[in-house]
Amino acid sequence: QSALTQAASVSGSPGQSVTISCTGLSTDFGAYTYVSWYQQYPGKAPKLLIYNVDTRPSGVSSRFSGSKSGTSASLTVSDLQADDEADYYCSSYTTTTTHVLFGGGTKLTIL
Amino acid sequence: QVQLQESGPGLVRPSETLTLTCVVSGDSLGGFYWSWIRQPPGKGLEWLGNILYDGTTNYNPSVKSRITMSLDTSKNQFSLRLTSVAAADTAMYYCARMRGSGFFSNDYWGHGNMVTVSS
Repeated sequence: QSALTQAASVSGSPGQSVTISCTGLSTDFGAYTYVSWYQQYPGKAPKLLIYNVDTRPSGVSSRFSGSKSGTSASLTVSDLQADDEADYYCSSYTTTTTHVLFGGGTKLTIL
Repeated sequence: QVQLQESGPGLVRPSETLTLTCVVSGDSLGGFYWSWIRQPPGKGLEWLGNILYDGTTNYNPSVKSRITMSLDTSKNQFSLRLTSVAAADTAMYYCARMRGSGFFSNDYWGHGNMVTVSS
């Protein structure tokens, strides 16, 4: 099974929005694919930002939003702030394989 | 508040077996999947596998022949055993809780246990 594909880096200025894409989601017939997004600061454990494609856990800013179309998913970060600078990982769980895949990660730089 | 804490060696010799334990506090093991995820230095996350509270396991095919996960409900902890380690197994190893139906995402993570494979 191949890892999901993400751009290595993306950047934006404070106040702008950026979208991070994740491709390679399963197309298994009859399967449902759950997509999650994680934020990771250097030297820290990842933090769950989005689960089940577009749902934010309690306490996560509404500036983070997720979506999915076909074999791709996206994370949009709106109104960029300095502390959004971090690595972002997508992850999928497919009901047919019961395996988890991670994307390679995208480094978000705030200009 | 749910907390997870990994413990294990920092250095393992090549060809030996790595054993890590994750102690869970603030909740029981019941009703959840429990995951092991690793991250080589400077690289991305790699899912190793998970174990359901009833002992059912799912492993990444890339390590399936070398990995065993287990639960100890009396101690509220779960463990990872990885045999025949090599330099490529050098990584930060995280344990995490994965919620099931409707979620399938890791909502609580440990701080990580750095493991270096070297002679």
